[in-house]
Amino acid sequence: IAGITQAPTSQILAAGRRMTLRCTQDMRHNAMYWYRQDLGLGLRLIHYSNTAGTTGKGEVPDGYSVSRANTDDFPLTLASAVPSQTSVYFCASSVSGGVTGELFFGEGSRLTVL
Amino acid sequence: GQNIDQPTEMTATEGAIVQINCTYQTSGFNGLFWYQQHAGEAPTFLSYNVLDGLEEKGRFSSFLSRSKGYSYLLLKELQMKDSASYLCAVEDSNYQLIWGAGTKLIIKP
Repeated sequence: IAGITQAPTSQILAAGRRMTLRCTQDMRHNAMYWYRQDLGLGLRLIHYSNTAGTTGKGEVPDGYSVSRANTDDFPLTLASAVPSQTSVYFCASSVSGGVTGELFFGEGSRLTVL
Repeated sequence: GQNIDQPTEMTATEGAIVQINCTYQTSGFNGLFWYQQHAGEAPTFLSYNVLDGLEEKGRFSSFLSRSKGYSYLLLKELQMKDSASYLCAVEDSNYQLIWGAGTKLIIKP
């Protein structure tokens, strides 16, 4: 059972480039989330989706976009990367949206923007 | 504003007991979570408290006092593999999770 798969695991990116982080889950969870984790800070929510076809903005959505065309996939796109987007990105899912419940996390994508 | 406070780092000895505290100020309360995160890995769920009191799960217990805005995670019979960061998160009235910065626990032999 894979759970949540993220790709790439690690990436170095030039500023101004477009980048999509992929996230796929096989648990048929309704809700999915993208977080970023920076040293000394708590996890910060970028975008979320409570069900396929819907998305919402989290705490730090600027510079990021998401789509949820189906239940399994929730890609995160950086349209034009900037150095402040250097971070570790975690995709997560939960059984249902609204009430968060237990989150299941992917292994993370470490992104460096130069 | 919303705020979760927990110590940045703690050190404990193998076989001992350690208590990691978490205090919170949030817009409403719908539950408190503890997650464990080993270095370079994903967070994994440990516990969930929504009512006051102690929830025990093996060597780990979690306590909640809603009136004090306070929780702790108690780890007994510490093992080297317990070296990790422990993340406290509160679900606010909008069902959004507010995360603390995490407590790095170092276990010494």
